[in-house]
Amino acid sequence: QLQLQESGPGLVKPSETLSLTCTVSDGSISSSSYHWGWIRQPPGKGLEWIGNVYYTGSTYYNPSLKTRVSISMDASKNQFSLNLGSVTAADTAVYYCTKRVAGTSLRDNWGQGTLVTVSS
Amino acid sequence: QSALTQPASVSGSPGQSITISCTGTSSDIGNYNYVSWYQQHPGKAPKLMIFDVTNRPSGVSNRFSGSKSGNTASLTISGLQAEDEADYYCNSYTTSFTWVFGGGTKLTVL
Repeated sequence: QLQLQESGPGLVKPSETLSLTCTVSDGSISSSSYHWGWIRQPPGKGLEWIGNVYYTGSTYYNPSLKTRVSISMDASKNQFSLNLGSVTAADTAVYYCTKRVAGTSLRDNWGQGTLVTVSS
Repeated sequence: QSALTQPASVSGSPGQSITISCTGTSSDIGNYNYVSWYQQHPGKAPKLMIFDVTNRPSGVSNRFSGSKSGNTASLTISGLQAEDEADYYCNSYTTSFTWVFGGGTKLTVL
């Protein structure tokens, strides 16, 4: 069964770039059947969609983060990544990587989530 | 984009039915049947309960059902059980090719 696993630093300094990687197991990131994405959840708050990437490289981002965010894929490693620049304490959250079946709202695979804290 | 509107909390007794509403606009819920619902227990990743308004993923109890009317989607849980106590989030596709979540609803089983 396809599995997702986030990895990256748990602590990032203000104004720096938050970088996370999601490794896909038992499935191909190059499949035309799926969109790969990131969702975050600040402590004690709700879910926020960050963005998606498709196997073609097409990306879509939350307008509120668009100027600071980029999502990319590395098919050779079967991974996709999130970069969020100029972070502040408001970016402190649990970050989840997800898989969604193309043409549906079936987002059935989530990573376990990784807490990233922005602090000096 | 504005978050979808959900009640902050709902409650019910075991065996009862409850409904959680999720109100959007003609730019999201009203325009697409790409509405999903997630259940989240404390400290856990969200779990998909309903997708494409009415569909249940394999393994999800048929006590969970979804519907939509105009700009409002709803999640109904029948035969409420203690294990259903959790936070619930709705999610919709938008005309801007993005996705938007509701603020979340805390379900308490009395």
